Amino acid sequence: SQQGEEDPQALSIQEGENATMNCSYKTSINNLQWYRQNSGRGLVHLILIRSNEREKHSGRLRVTLDTSKKSSSLLITASRAADTASYFCATDAWKNTDKLIFGTGTRLQVFP
Amino acid sequence: GAVVSQHPSWVICKSGTSVKIECRSLDFQATTMFWYRQFPKQSLMLMATSNEGSKATYEQGVEKDKFLINHASLTLSTLTVTSAHPEDSSFYICSARQAYNEQFFGPGTRLTVL
Repeated sequence: SQQGEEDPQALSIQEGENATMNCSYKTSINNLQWYRQNSGRGLVHLILIRSNEREKHSGRLRVTLDTSKKSSSLLITASRAADTASYFCATDAWKNTDKLIFGTGTRLQVFP
Repeated sequence: GAVVSQHPSWVICKSGTSVKIECRSLDFQATTMFWYRQFPKQSLMLMATSNEGSKATYEQGVEKDKFLINHASLTLSTLTVTSAHPEDSSFYICSARQAYNEQFFGPGTRLTVL
């Protein structure tokens, strides 16, 4: 399977704390994306980082990419109860940009 | 902009019946649409890729006669689960893409087969 791995599988934190999720993948990529999914709902695109970028910010989100280690991290700062959701990384394949390969996901629970 | 809808949002059917799920790009023309399947607390698994006007490309292990995909227009793709069985119960999500831009995801359809 080409599916990426994410860790932790589940994460519980208090409001105001930071949440860090990690994603590892197996093949060379053009882009890596992070998505959010509320329970039983569709996916919301959070951020895209290209293979030649190392870090990207969007509001309270910070994404890093280390292509030498084939890994990425998503940091949510000053978390809120509304951030409770599952977070997935997704990569395209170097020579097949048609497909997105999703990681296993991290279920984040933020307690008020 | 870039809204993708799915219909129905949920469906319950009897074993042996067929169910059709629609995926529409509401404000853009989608040259490619993707169908994913997601089991509870698991990730999305790509089932097939469909390009407008051509046959869908199925991922390994996905039965094309079981999951019929039609992409007859640039704004509509349908997934028909034929002769559904309880093991087909899942959350089905489509996404749509214009040229080589970002994929936009639909809200998903929860299928329950009794």
